[in-house]
Amino acid sequence: GAVVSQHPSRVICKSGTSVKIECRSLDFQATTMFWYRQFPKQSLMLMATSNEGSKATYEQGVEKDKFLINHASLTLSTLTVTSAHPEDSSFYICSAPRTSGNEQFFGPGTRLTVL
Amino acid sequence: AQSVTQLGSHVSVSEGALVLLRCNYSSSVPPYLFWYVQYPNQGLQLLLKYTSAATLVKGINGFEAEFKKSETSFHLTKPSAHMSDAAEYFCAVSEGQAGTALIFGKGTTLSVSS
Repeated sequence: GAVVSQHPSRVICKSGTSVKIECRSLDFQATTMFWYRQFPKQSLMLMATSNEGSKATYEQGVEKDKFLINHASLTLSTLTVTSAHPEDSSFYICSAPRTSGNEQFFGPGTRLTVL
Repeated sequence: AQSVTQLGSHVSVSEGALVLLRCNYSSSVPPYLFWYVQYPNQGLQLLLKYTSAATLVKGINGFEAEFKKSETSFHLTKPSAHMSDAAEYFCAVSEGQAGTALIFGKGTTLSVSS
């Protein structure tokens, strides 16, 4: 079946640094990918829609200059958390939809901890 | 706008008992509905989905859900709980268009005691 991978699975960084998270669709092409954020004991909140070949679409309240999204190819989207702060610590999950069946495949998530 | 409401943030059952996790949705168009399970520090695993075919949907691990349009509900059930079912469960809705993001409920933590 379809698989979506994320790298890294866990990252710890110092405040003020930037962190890049990769999301890859392994056996299908995804012109669209979604980035979600999940705080402890809470639900997934959609951050942005990553579009191959065009700018990402951000949800209200999400700073596009802080969370940079690049959809470099039909199988890769990256999320860069710039100038990270402790409040950015969260679980970041990407997903990629397969057009048939309207099913989305989720990556395993990336745990970001900002010290 | 779409939304999902999961009633009960925490449900506790005994092993072998019926599991019932409630989900109500709001959508202006015929919805696609999903249930996902999440184990600690892991991603989401699809349990089942409703895509306008049969209203009773059977999923993995013995779970099933019934779409009731009149009640705008999509409750998740399992006849007999197992210890391994203890996890976080999320109900989600999309507008049915391929490539549309999912809107998630707040989740329900299922605890199973022996």
